[in-house]
Amino acid sequence: KNQVEQSPQSLIILEGKNCTLQCNYTVSPFSNLRWYKQDTGRGPVSLTIMTFSENTKSNGRYTATLDADTKQSSLHITASQLSDSASYICVVSLEAGNMLTFGGGTRLMVKP
Amino acid sequence: GAVVSQHPSWVICKSGTSVKIECRSLDFQATTMFWYRQFPKQSLMLMATSNEGSKATYEQGVEKDKFLINHASLTLSTLTVTSAHPEDSSFYICSARDRPGGYNEQFFGPGTRLTVL
Repeated sequence: KNQVEQSPQSLIILEGKNCTLQCNYTVSPFSNLRWYKQDTGRGPVSLTIMTFSENTKSNGRYTATLDADTKQSSLHITASQLSDSASYICVVSLEAGNMLTFGGGTRLMVKP
Repeated sequence: GAVVSQHPSWVICKSGTSVKIECRSLDFQATTMFWYRQFPKQSLMLMATSNEGSKATYEQGVEKDKFLINHASLTLSTLTVTSAHPEDSSFYICSARDRPGGYNEQFFGPGTRLTVL
């Protein structure tokens, strides 16, 4: 069964600190992995997209890594800001078709 | 970047009434649109996939007669929740894809909060 597991489920950090969110997947055949940020009451917004051949991709203070061998990805947030408070969702796309498999998300709260 | 809008952003209705939610791709033509439902503190759950001009494909457990989807043009898809009940209260999100292949990129709308009293 294709699954995407994220950890931790929730995280509280102080403003200015760094944090790393984890994503493990069993989706196969794998096409690409993307990280989304979802603010409360809003739709997901894409942060990064990586194919199996890409190991890392950055978008400002967000850096995603991918290890296709171990089927693990991480999202590192540097110098967190209050506006980073949101849910971060790891989504894996199958090689063919429309199917996306969503992780349960990590709810991040950044406190002053 | 590709922009997807939804209307309304929130709606409150009485039990038994029908509610229509619109999803529009503003700056690209969406060959495929998707409808998701999200309950509090849960991730998105795909309800159905629709291709322009053809019938929607519903996920297992989603009632096609209750959740009517129309994808009449390359920029507009509508979801109608018929005879809504309190258990239909949820956050409905659409997404759109401009072409098959590539990254299979889906661009998400801002969501519609439905509350059924």
